[in-house]
Amino acid sequence: QVQLVQSGAEVKKPGASVKVSCKASGYTFTSYGISWVRQAPGQGLEWMGWISAYNGNTNYAQKLQGRVTMTTDTSTSTAYMELRSLRSDDTAVYYCARERDYDSSGYYYPWGQGTLVTVSS
Amino acid sequence: DIQMTQSPSSLSASVGDRVTITCRASQSISSYLNWYQQKPGKAPKLLIYAASSLQSGVPSRFSGSGSGTDFTLTISSLQPEDFATYYCQQSYSPTLGYTFGQGTKLEIK
Repeated sequence: QVQLVQSGAEVKKPGASVKVSCKASGYTFTSYGISWVRQAPGQGLEWMGWISAYNGNTNYAQKLQGRVTMTTDTSTSTAYMELRSLRSDDTAVYYCARERDYDSSGYYYPWGQGTLVTVSS
Repeated sequence: DIQMTQSPSSLSASVGDRVTITCRASQSISSYLNWYQQKPGKAPKLLIYAASSLQSGVPSRFSGSGSGTDFTLTISSLQPEDFATYYCQQSYSPTLGYTFGQGTKLEIK
């Protein structure tokens, strides 16, 4: 079955970087884009950006431009999200999610299980 | 950015009730509107895409409607497993970002 499995929880200090992985299985990786969504504790969902697994094109949320980089490794069917210059308000659960239809449908199924990133001194 | 506003922010209802949640976009987004359900500690689950298309495996008591700026999610007869938080999300333009509404928490009365 189609599945996304994310890397484990991380604890980082302010100013550091974090790289979260999302390994896909059960489908042709290059046929569907991957988006990243985060959720701060007790808060709503925030769209972070999208990457085409076909050609590596990206779109990032304006507020994260310059701090976030999304990449893919087609040889291992894995997507990555790196966030730099971490601040306390980056503490959140980070989700990867597959585009339901084609490379960039804008709606997501399935989702990864989430990765908690805690930023604390 | 396109802003999405859901109402109400929270809602108490009983099993068997018909419930409607509203989502309004700050500009026209045609039918590029999706709905998700999220339970505590779990990833969101796609319910409705393209305003009114039911995701495979989702019960038919869930339905979506609307276009332009105003959209609704309706649950025709609430079941115990439906108590959760619901989010709308616009997918109109990737360059503008795919924003979510603030969520509607549906609680048991």
